[in-house]
Amino acid sequence: TQLLEQSPQFLSIQEGENLTVYCNSSSVFSSLQWYRQEPGEGPVLLVTVVTGGEVKKLKRLTFQFGDARKDSSLHITAAQPGDTGLYLCAGTVMEYGNKLVFGAGTILRVKS
Amino acid sequence: GAVVSQHPSWVICKSGTSVKIECRSLDFQATTMFWYRQFPKQSLMLMATSNEGSKATYEQGVEKDKFLINHASLTLSTLTVTSAHPEDSSFYICSARRGETANEKLFFGSGTQLSVL
Repeated sequence: TQLLEQSPQFLSIQEGENLTVYCNSSSVFSSLQWYRQEPGEGPVLLVTVVTGGEVKKLKRLTFQFGDARKDSSLHITAAQPGDTGLYLCAGTVMEYGNKLVFGAGTILRVKS
Repeated sequence: GAVVSQHPSWVICKSGTSVKIECRSLDFQATTMFWYRQFPKQSLMLMATSNEGSKATYEQGVEKDKFLINHASLTLSTLTVTSAHPEDSSFYICSARRGETANEKLFFGSGTQLSVL
């Protein structure tokens, strides 16, 4: 079992639709990050959340960190074809030596 | 912003040969670097944690004699895939932590696509 459960695994939507990606764990995270990765490239950091209940916005992207710091969500409003990519949540957990552990990823495809 | 350079971007080699991948932090010192492996359309799997001046810490199931890691300076870590075989073909990514604490931001290299024939 993975430390971080990310869902859905795949998402194919039409341009203009909204979507939410979830990241859940039974462990408490020191911090949690969301990345976006394109094929053949390294992941690019979108946001870091560290405080329970924290909400951060990045243009059409809204990130939430659960009150208990065990879960997080990424919501995209009015998705665009340029949002297509692999979205990864990743977290650091003290009991795992504060290594950055990744969720399984969500492949998002936005069709025009 | 901080930059991590990974080289080469892609490499094709014959089965049985060794391949070295370099990861450099260009404008900061990185006490800790991480090496990941990624299969197509899958997530990053941590292989090992590379610590400057000491032995790397490998994740369970990763062969340390197969994947040799050297972190000889605060700006360079190398991963050598020894006696590579087709099953070692994968996308390898490094990251570098700027600072000492776990909440310090990680900066990722652009990855190396290894194809073993």
